[in-house]
Amino acid sequence: DAGITQSPRYKITETGRQVTLMCHQTWSHSYMFWYRQDLGHGLRLIYYSAAADITDKGEVPDGYVVSRSKTENFPLTLESATRSQTSVYFCASMAGVADTQYFGPGTRLTVL
Amino acid sequence: AQSVTQPDIHITVSEGASLELRCNYSYGATPYLFWYVQSPGQGLQLLLKYFSGDTLVQGIKGFEAEFKRSQSSFNLRKPSVHWSDAAEYFCAVGAGANNLFFGTGTRLTVIP
Repeated sequence: DAGITQSPRYKITETGRQVTLMCHQTWSHSYMFWYRQDLGHGLRLIYYSAAADITDKGEVPDGYVVSRSKTENFPLTLESATRSQTSVYFCASMAGVADTQYFGPGTRLTVL
Repeated sequence: AQSVTQPDIHITVSEGASLELRCNYSYGATPYLFWYVQSPGQGLQLLLKYFSGDTLVQGIKGFEAEFKRSQSSFNLRKPSVHWSDAAEYFCAVGAGANNLFFGTGTRLTVIP
């Protein structure tokens, strides 16, 4: 199906474990983004990518790692999950710098 | 520093009534401005955006927003609210869509 998808949609993990959240888009958009959404904070940018193999930090990058070996995929890894990383994570993509961001449905992550 | 303020955490309106959601921002230059809507369990959907030109912007679902430079505001309006408009609304500002700052959101409840 065309669009932007995220997997898994729900994930429960334990402190210290590594977790990878997947994001896939079918539009060949250049830009991709990872946000986290927390009550009282709105959405905050974790990392973004302007093209394959080009990534940059956002507002809250600590504890997260990203890669972008292919244009259509932008996985987000929590190398050692902490309770403070319990959140809803949204992936987004965008064709160009002045275009619209399209958001995925989100992944709800709980770290116990 | 850049910031976005949505002063109303929660607004309740009757179906058919008019709506105005407030957004104020602090930014070094004239930013790009966006309004997004998020239905429960969903990602964000763009309602409208302002880059330049006419300060009154029309969006989808009958929404409009007006950019007022002197007040650093970008308020969202709808003349007649429908029950399906119940959702969370986010204002966002930035130098481009790859550098967005989101407000904390306003939750809209629509009563019959």
